[in-house]
Amino acid sequence: QSALTQPASVSGSPGQSITISCSGTSSDIGGHDYVSWYQHHPDKAPKLIIFDVSHRPSGVSNRFSGSKSGNTASLTVSGLQAEDEADYYCSSYSSTSTPWVFGGTTKLTVL
Amino acid sequence: QVQLQESGPGLVKPSQTLSLSCTVSGGSISSGGYYWNWIRQLPGKGLEWMGYIYHSGSTFYNPSLKSRVTISVDTSKNEFSLNLRSVTAADTAVYYCAGRLYYGSGSYSFDPWGQGTLVTVSS
Repeated sequence: QSALTQPASVSGSPGQSITISCSGTSSDIGGHDYVSWYQHHPDKAPKLIIFDVSHRPSGVSNRFSGSKSGNTASLTVSGLQAEDEADYYCSSYSSTSTPWVFGGTTKLTVL
Repeated sequence: QVQLQESGPGLVKPSQTLSLSCTVSGGSISSGGYYWNWIRQLPGKGLEWMGYIYHSGSTFYNPSLKSRVTISVDTSKNEFSLNLRSVTAADTAVYYCAGRLYYGSGSYSFDPWGQGTLVTVSS
């Protein structure tokens, strides 16, 4: 059981937008602006695509955007492309005894 | 650009110690720019942060694993290592090493990551 809750799968057609949710508590997502999102293609290293809720690292497409409301964070991928098909994880800093918590895996399928 | 690569046995027997190393390239561990982390993904489950080490040797571990885990650093080899003692089948997972900036924007995120290595605990 992951500390943060993500849907197991989402899908969309090329050009469409999808949103992946990540639900936590007031000790993690709700209490800190330190939510991150990672993209993971098979047999590759996971890649940071969003940090501090809504910031994109240099080189990451602006089709990826992040937001937060209360204890839930969201990752939106707009203008879906085939290359976006991958696993996505969320993570948050937590003020509990375990300082970093993750969600389960959300598999994004581009139809 | 810092890159990480895990190495170690893919099969460990129950009750033994799982030992993995993470080689850092493109930068020096001694520079102090990063915390060096181990993260694992249990089959069919999410990721679990295991702990980190700083180049000085200071560590912080996940309380759920603290009694069994040791992370160490070898600055001469530019690598850091994970030891997980008394493993069981429940420790079968893909193990990743990852860096986290010591300070500044993005210092609460993990970047970069290694590709991960599957370790199976089985007799």
